[in-house]
Amino acid sequence: EAQVTQNPRYLITVTGKKLTVTCSQNMNHEYMSWYRQDPGLGLRQIYYSMNVEVTDKGDVPEGYKVSRKEKRNFPLILESPSPNQTSLYFCASSLGGFQPQHFGDGTRLSIL
Amino acid sequence: GDSVTQMEGPVTLSEEAFLTINCTYTATGYPSLFWYVQYPGEGLQLLLKATKADDKGSNKGFEATYRKETTSFHLEKGSVQVSDSAVYFCALSDLGGGSNYKLTFGKGTLLTVNP
Repeated sequence: EAQVTQNPRYLITVTGKKLTVTCSQNMNHEYMSWYRQDPGLGLRQIYYSMNVEVTDKGDVPEGYKVSRKEKRNFPLILESPSPNQTSLYFCASSLGGFQPQHFGDGTRLSIL
Repeated sequence: GDSVTQMEGPVTLSEEAFLTINCTYTATGYPSLFWYVQYPGEGLQLLLKATKADDKGSNKGFEATYRKETTSFHLEKGSVQVSDSAVYFCALSDLGGGSNYKLTFGKGTLLTVNP
C-alpha cells in the first residue's frame, strides 16, 4: 500500500530536549516536505527536499533541521524545542512537479 | 507571494443539502489547484485537482472548476452526506523559489453534516 509513515503520532516533551520525527515513504517519490498546522493559520511549509542531499527552507524553518540521506526518509529534527513549536506536523511526498502531494497521518507535538 | 482565501466556516448543513465552499487565489505563476480533505484524526487526502483554466476536477460527487478570469476554485456538491463531515482545504501549487513545488493552503473550512 502506498503510504507516508510518520512516527511518533503523539509526543509530549519538555523545552530543550532534542527530538526527531521520522517520515518514510514507499512510493519512490523525489519530492518530500514538512508542514505544520496551527489553528487559524492553515498549513505552512517548514522545509522541503527535491531529492537526496538536496534540502531547502520553506516559509517557517526557524528552530528546525532536516536531512535527506536516503530517498525514502526525511526526518524532522528539533534540536532545542520550545513551546511555540507545539503543533500538528505533517510530512508529504510527491513525484515532483505539480503532482499532488501524499500526506502522512500527522504528528502532534506538545512542548511544555 | 501566493495566497489562498477560502470561506472559513464552520459550515453546518443537513443531509442532502447543496454545498458550496468558496476559494479564491493569487499567484505569480500559473498554478495547479487542489482541494484536500482532512477527516478527524487523519492526514490530508487529495479530493480533486485542476491544472489549467476551465478544467473541472471531480471526485466522490464533489466538483470544482478552475476559473482563471475570477481566480477562483469553488468546491460544490449537490447532496452532502454525514460522512462528508471534515475539514476542507483549498490549495495551490506554484513554482516557488528554486524548484519548490510547495502547496500554499487556505485556512480550512470545517463542514458538519447533520442527519
